[in-house]
Amino acid sequence: GQSLEQPSEVTAVEGAIVQINCTYQTSGFYGLSWYQQHDGGAPTFLSYNALDGLEETGRFSSFLSRSDSYGYLLLQELQMKDSASYFCAVKEAGTALIFGKGTTLSVSS
Amino acid sequence: SAVISQKPSRDICQRGTSLTIQCQVDSQVTMMFWYRQQPGQSLTLIATANQGSEATYESGFVIDKFPISRPNLTFSTLTVSNMSPEDSSIYLCSASGMTTRHNEQFFGPGTRLTVL
Repeated sequence: GQSLEQPSEVTAVEGAIVQINCTYQTSGFYGLSWYQQHDGGAPTFLSYNALDGLEETGRFSSFLSRSDSYGYLLLQELQMKDSASYFCAVKEAGTALIFGKGTTLSVSS
Repeated sequence: SAVISQKPSRDICQRGTSLTIQCQVDSQVTMMFWYRQQPGQSLTLIATANQGSEATYESGFVIDKFPISRPNLTFSTLTVSNMSPEDSSIYLCSASGMTTRHNEQFFGPGTRLTVL
């Protein structure tokens, strides 16, 4: 089976930088994904890492270390609208994403 | 990208009854999935909807309780049978593959189910 660990809550102020860590255990591994979900909304795709290293998409970056079974999501120049739940998820070949428990990010002014 | 719609968006049902949730994708996709999410909790995979064959269920979920159909590459249904209050949750349809990037799953807006 799979298991993913991420912090349950993170708080920060506007303009700050936040890192949300994720460690995983899985029998097969194809990649680590990150999703954002606002209250009452559907999860939306943020990033995907299949190989070691950093992927940058605007204010958001995601990192993966396959040898450490570890990844993180980095959010820069935080805005109030970034307040949401963030989920890491792993994908095995030909299967659905399995999600971590989620991290609630609260951004204050 | 793929746009996924679900019907109904919400419903309130009596225990012992059944509800069928429909999921429509605006483009052909390889994979379709059904998840359940309690408010404030993570997403739990119920099953993979396979076109032309029986769905593949995750541990703890069975076909008699959650029958799933997938008649083609853009449509699937999930039925919640013989409902109890414990089935109250948000049910999410998801899809990936073919016209979507292979590593991205898209999600529908969810169906909020309350069982009294």
